[in-house]
Amino acid sequence: AQTVTQSQPEMSVQEAETVTLSCTYDTSESNYYLFWYKQPPSRQMILVIRQEAYKQQNATENRFSVNFQKAAKSFSLKISDSQLGDTAMYFCAFALGGATNKLIFGTGTLLAVQP
Amino acid sequence: EAGVAQSPRYKIIEKRQSVAFWCNPISGHATLYWYQQILGQGPKLLIQFQNNGVVDDSQLPKDRFSAERLKGVDSTLKIQPAKLEDSAVYLCASRPTVGTEAFFGQGTRLTVV
Repeated sequence: AQTVTQSQPEMSVQEAETVTLSCTYDTSESNYYLFWYKQPPSRQMILVIRQEAYKQQNATENRFSVNFQKAAKSFSLKISDSQLGDTAMYFCAFALGGATNKLIFGTGTLLAVQP
Repeated sequence: EAGVAQSPRYKIIEKRQSVAFWCNPISGHATLYWYQQILGQGPKLLIQFQNNGVVDDSQLPKDRFSAERLKGVDSTLKIQPAKLEDSAVYLCASRPTVGTEAFFGQGTRLTVV
């Protein structure tokens, strides 16, 4: 069975600073995808960034980037130039490749960006 | 492109009552998920549909929860009878046949008193 672990329940960062959120996962499969989702108080899950396991290059989306360490089964999210609008719950998620693609979430990290 | 629609946004019921949630996925999306998110926790998958067939319902409490997806489009999730521990946000998500991203609705917050 696949599991996703987020060991930081809460994080705080000053506006314009950089913060890294941690995530580890466990799987014996080789074809899978990893995601970071953001959930603001409105409750709607929004995809922040996606990483395919077969790609060695770390994914980047504007101020968001990941550090994907496949051997260590680690998938951290770095947010640069933090903005007040980044305040939200952040969930790490895992999905197997293929049609079933069950999406498994970690417990989340509450990020507070301080002015 | 319209997003995933869910209704109602909020629902308060007494324990032992029944409740139903509705989800309209993005047009053409074959996969539909229902998740339960208890306060302070990550979403837990209740059931996954591929078109109108069930792919995974291993974590659905089948003695009280049921779900259906008519004609492979809209879906309803029902709880009967509700318990206090069912208080949670119920999220619906859909995913296209090609692609890995799941798109989420705004969820329904259920409070059982």
